[in-house]
Amino acid sequence: IAGITQAPTSQILAAGRRMTLRCTQDMRHNAMYWYRQDLGLGLRLIHYSNTAGTTGKGEVPDGYSVSRANTDDFPLTLASAVPSQTSVYFCASKQGAETGELFFGEGSRLTVL
Amino acid sequence: SQQGEEDPQALSIQEGENATMNCSYKTSINNLQWYRQNSGRGLVHLILIRSNEREKHSGRLRVTLDTSKKSSSLLITASRAADTASYFCATVDSSYKLIFGSGTRLLVRP
Repeated sequence: IAGITQAPTSQILAAGRRMTLRCTQDMRHNAMYWYRQDLGLGLRLIHYSNTAGTTGKGEVPDGYSVSRANTDDFPLTLASAVPSQTSVYFCASKQGAETGELFFGEGSRLTVL
Repeated sequence: SQQGEEDPQALSIQEGENATMNCSYKTSINNLQWYRQNSGRGLVHLILIRSNEREKHSGRLRVTLDTSKKSSSLLITASRAADTASYFCATVDSSYKLIFGSGTRLLVRP
């Protein structure tokens, strides 16, 4: 049973570097999401995609970009990392944009120095 | 800004006791969901309650929803040490995105 796979699990990155967090799901879910989790702030939505070929902005999209070339993959890119992007990033998916529960990956811990 | 806010932020109880967590939200919702997160892991869905429902049960979990007060509560009965985790409510907005609160950290002492 795979579900959602995120990579890398953990990464230390110098400020100014470009970084792509990978997310792959094998459940054929239409909708996918990226959240960041910071202590005391819960999870905040960065970007989402209701279906392959479409993306949308969440609560905190600045400094991040996403693409959804196919159903399974939803990479998150930091074009030029800054220390405030130090966080744990979670990818999630659900069957349809309008219904159901979210399934989460195990997270990617990113430290920007 | 976050839609849901949990209360309390932290809760410590003895094994066997009941744990109650509350969630308040700001705008109208399609449904409300509760999730659990063990330390260092991803979130796991527990239960979903629709806006036209007032109460729902699943095993030792009981969720209530009061749309007039824009609040929900999660009750865990007969708690176990394995229930130690963080619990989050998530509201589903009009565009079907899930917005999470900041969570309640539950510690169940053996």
